Amino acid sequence: GENVEQHPSTLSVQEGDSAVIKCTYSDSASNYFPWYKQELGKGPQLIIDIRSNVGEKKDQRIAVTLNKTAKHFSLHITETQPEDSAVYFCAATSGTYKYIFGTGTRLKVLA
Amino acid sequence: NAGVTQTPKFQVLKTGQSMTLQCAQDMNHEYMSWYRQDPGMGLRLIHYSVGAGITDQGEVPNGYNVSRSTTEDFPLRLLSAAPSQTSVYFCASRYTDRGKGYTFGSGTRLTVV
Repeated sequence: GENVEQHPSTLSVQEGDSAVIKCTYSDSASNYFPWYKQELGKGPQLIIDIRSNVGEKKDQRIAVTLNKTAKHFSLHITETQPEDSAVYFCAATSGTYKYIFGTGTRLKVLA
Repeated sequence: NAGVTQTPKFQVLKTGQSMTLQCAQDMNHEYMSWYRQDPGMGLRLIHYSVGAGITDQGEVPNGYNVSRSTTEDFPLRLLSAAPSQTSVYFCASRYTDRGKGYTFGSGTRLTVV
């Protein structure tokens, strides 16, 4: 069935370093890829997204890249700060109600 | 503009009890969904609705019912609670325009003993 694999499950980086989280999807019909940040005790919050007709998108310190051929997409966070510490989820959808979520990455930014 | 509001935030149930998790959104979103979040398993879709009066099952619907009588409200009913339903439940909504991702509520942490 449809599946999204997310790696790594945990990631620790020094403040100021970059962090990269990778996802692989199985449904070739997927055309929209959002990323969510979940802070402790809160619901996931959309931080960036990308459509299948775009290879890269940036928003300040965060960027997402998409390789449709390999069915890979990645989240890049530069100049990490303590407030970036959270759980990050990727998701893929073919444009309907149904999002397939990855299992999450716990990012720790060490001061 | 409150977004997606879920109540209660915490709940403890005994096995066999029933309850309703409330979800309301004030953004006039057509799509609404219920997800459960379990450690190491990400978010799994329980039920969803594409508009008032229209609901359907997601990937883990057993033991849950939903209804959508208005655009704003999408309650989730646990019929006879089981320990396997211990989880964090999130309600989410969005417009039908696929370019806008889901907005999530803050969640309900449910423990079934």
